[in-house]
Amino acid sequence: GAGVSQSPSNKVTEKGKDVELRCDPISGHTALYWYRQSLGQGLEFLIYFQGNSAPDKSGLPSDRFSAERTGGSVSTLTIQRTQQEDSAVYLCASSMIARGLFTDTQYFGPGTRLTVL
Amino acid sequence: GIQVEQSPPDLILQEGANSTLRCNFSDSVNNLQWFHQNPWGQLINLFYIPSGTKQNGRLSATTVATERYSLLYISSSQTTDSGVYFCAVEADRGSTLGRLYFGRGTQLTVWP
Repeated sequence: GAGVSQSPSNKVTEKGKDVELRCDPISGHTALYWYRQSLGQGLEFLIYFQGNSAPDKSGLPSDRFSAERTGGSVSTLTIQRTQQEDSAVYLCASSMIARGLFTDTQYFGPGTRLTVL
Repeated sequence: GIQVEQSPPDLILQEGANSTLRCNFSDSVNNLQWFHQNPWGQLINLFYIPSGTKQNGRLSATTVATERYSLLYISSSQTTDSGVYFCAVEADRGSTLGRLYFGRGTQLTVWP
């Protein structure tokens, strides 16, 4: 597609439920990222997928968070047993890889606003 | 990780005024991007500028990598320029390749 797309745009859930957030990166982009934006923490990195390499999961805040990327394209971020502090906007980005390892411009999707009641 | 500081945190302008936003970072970087977050939350790419100077219409940016700062210039501001401007950097070494570290942003309000 023309840009990064994410679904759903809004998600309201009850504490303790599991949620899945989806990201469709720009076609041909080999790198995919998840970030989240919350009032207290600003914009923070969660996880990074690059090609067939093992993902960099070092930004995931707890073991309730997991992500996968199928076929090198679409990615799903799963949050199990949601807590109120998980409420945030979850942003996905994608990029090409320039000069071997370094990333080129990261393009962001519109985000999913998650509210945990 | 890299520390990214943006200033000023808030900026209020009259339409037509010029402004300069600053981004300081604590280590050498490979990637530096400026974004504008519109009122709907979308992060819009303004510049990919790890070094040098670029211009796009009324906006221009300069990064002095050796001194670890970048500047975003907005000339003849318009009400549609309102929003939050973020600077984000990627380290050029270590285990954090790929991830962007964001500053806290500059909230710009342009009044007609």
